Amino acid sequence: AQSVTQPDIHITVSEGASLELRCNYSYGATPYLFWYVQSPGQGLQLLLKYFSGDTLVQGIKGFEAEFKRSQSSFNLRKPSVHWSDAAEYFCAVGASSNYQLIWGAGTKLIIKP
Amino acid sequence: DAGVIQSPRHEVTEMGQEVTLRCKPISGHDYLFWYRQTMMRGLELLIYFNNNVPIDDSGMPEDRFSAKMPNASFSTLKIQPSEPRDSAVYFCASSVPGGTQYFGPGTRLLVL
Repeated sequence: AQSVTQPDIHITVSEGASLELRCNYSYGATPYLFWYVQSPGQGLQLLLKYFSGDTLVQGIKGFEAEFKRSQSSFNLRKPSVHWSDAAEYFCAVGASSNYQLIWGAGTKLIIKP
Repeated sequence: DAGVIQSPRHEVTEMGQEVTLRCKPISGHDYLFWYRQTMMRGLELLIYFNNNVPIDDSGMPEDRFSAKMPNASFSTLKIQPSEPRDSAVYFCASSVPGGTQYFGPGTRLLVL
């Protein structure tokens, strides 16, 4: 079955520390991979996406993610978090054959001052 | 571009009343999606359209929910009659070819 797993419901990181949010997927076809961010009371905003090519993709707000096919993972990273990064982060996977995305449950990022 | 537009942003209604949520997708997007987000169930896809035609409505919770897309620039999600368990944030998203979905700000629905 197709699925996306974000194993961490909450993560707490000190401001200025590095961040890695995990995402694992199970998908039969070659996946398209996405990370979205949702700030409190807001809609979802695309951070970055992977369709093909270089497996390390850069996104907005200083985020990057690496696609590792052998591990079925697409982890999100940031070298130094800011208090404004406190939000919920969603990983999603789709395919070129349709436009429906499968969503992870989300990881809530808490920033300690 | 104005992005995906949803109205109203907030809706408070009483149980049994009809609720209509509206969405204007980004111009030129072929796909439109309706999602519901709750604390308990997370983000759920309710229905999506391609070129104004409903493709998959398997996520619509029951017959009280209906969605229409009369033209490429407008869609509605209707709940009739509404129930307290329908309280949630409802998002509309539209998609460019390749699957990137762009979300509206959402409608926060509270059914008393």
